[in-house]
Amino acid sequence: DTAVSQTPKYLVTQMGNDKSIKCEQNLGHDTMYWYKQDSKKFLKIMFSYNNKELIINETVPNRFSPKSPDKAHLNLHINSLELGDSAVYFCASSPKQGQPQHFGDGTRLSIL
Amino acid sequence: GESVGLHLPTLSVQEGDNSIINCAYSNSASDYFIWYKQESGKGPQFIIDIRSNMDKRQGQRVTVLLNKTVKHLSLQIAATQPGDSAVYFCAETYTGRRALTFGSGTRLQVQP
Repeated sequence: DTAVSQTPKYLVTQMGNDKSIKCEQNLGHDTMYWYKQDSKKFLKIMFSYNNKELIINETVPNRFSPKSPDKAHLNLHINSLELGDSAVYFCASSPKQGQPQHFGDGTRLSIL
Repeated sequence: GESVGLHLPTLSVQEGDNSIINCAYSNSASDYFIWYKQESGKGPQFIIDIRSNMDKRQGQRVTVLLNKTVKHLSLQIAATQPGDSAVYFCAETYTGRRALTFGSGTRLQVQP
């Protein structure tokens, strides 16, 4: 019954690889987000989609490509992983833009 | 640029005491504020929100105070319990902005 679920929970991979993180919400929300949380716990918005349409792209390298096949899913694909990509990535959703967001439990990405 | 910050990175309190977590923001256009709680290994969880037309809002054991004059927000937790131990974030946004800006977080440690 998890509201916002993301997989995998842990992802360990080597520099230069390509990886994807998946996110699904069963709350019927219109808006979904990807955040990056660094080692100092700072949370920064990366992307936001509203009804499958990209509405926020916060100066994220184009190695990061979000994809929303429907409004319940927002996946994140990362090409050519770099050491600095190591972080916890959180997916979130909200009923509408600017409303309180429900977060998943995060994907901890570690680059070797 | 806009920023949201917290005064204390770590707050240690005794069980049963009241806790106060502070947050300063710089954008005078901010009109909606949210407090989130993040437990270890989990995503941020909504606690309480407040709009700029209010200066106080109460929930169960929590109270948020907003002082727009000095751009300050606080979260008060009554009778703090060990389960309140977590990192607390304030977040802000304004009408027309489609994302939240998060502060850097305060770690609350509750001593038994």
